[in-house]
Amino acid sequence: DAGVIQSPRHEVTEMGQEVTLRCKPISGHNSLFWYRQTMMRGLELLIYFNNNVPIDDSGMPEDRFSAKMPNASFSTLKIQPSEPRDSAVYFCASNNGGVSYNEQFFGPGTRLTVL
Amino acid sequence: DQQVKQNSPSLSVQEGRISILNCDYTNSMFDYFLWYKKYPAEGPTFLISISSIKDKNEDGRFTVFLNKSAKHLSLHIVPSQPGDSAVYFCAAWDGNNRKLIWGLGTSLAVNP
Repeated sequence: DAGVIQSPRHEVTEMGQEVTLRCKPISGHNSLFWYRQTMMRGLELLIYFNNNVPIDDSGMPEDRFSAKMPNASFSTLKIQPSEPRDSAVYFCASNNGGVSYNEQFFGPGTRLTVL
Repeated sequence: DQQVKQNSPSLSVQEGRISILNCDYTNSMFDYFLWYKKYPAEGPTFLISISSIKDKNEDGRFTVFLNKSAKHLSLHIVPSQPGDSAVYFCAAWDGNNRKLIWGLGTSLAVNP
């Protein structure tokens, strides 16, 4: 099992540019989570999908952030336009328990730097 | 306003000794607690959990203790090994709001 796959692993972009982060969850998992990790705020849940449907996007910081899950094996998190304060590590995770205490399986993360 | 607090950003321990990582929470309605471990350049991985109806859960070298009256839990690693060097996150399940609340993490260094 390849685990959760995220791409790119590192992204450096300039302020105002569009950024797209990609995630492939573990096959068979029905829930997918996007997190952002910063030193000050730790791990924050941005959005959660269940069976490809967005269930809770209350953690999405602004309208500049959007996420899609067109099928069970692929999700994207887009930031447009990007700003320096968006610099963080973005994690994707998946599981079969949805938003619960069931174990979540995390990808390696995408380190985003916005200059 | 952190509902799950890991007050020690870092901890250093000698190999073979006990590591104790602490976590405090504010909401007495949290009903499940988890510890995740994170190595550099990797995502967090689940380590151990405990239900609020228990006060101890053990898995090999890892034991989690829960003190509900103090709203405090701790992760004990005995004996500590250099491979345990990682960031440890405490998380609490808020069943009422259906959210997993994460602490900021404690970086553990186990020195040979």
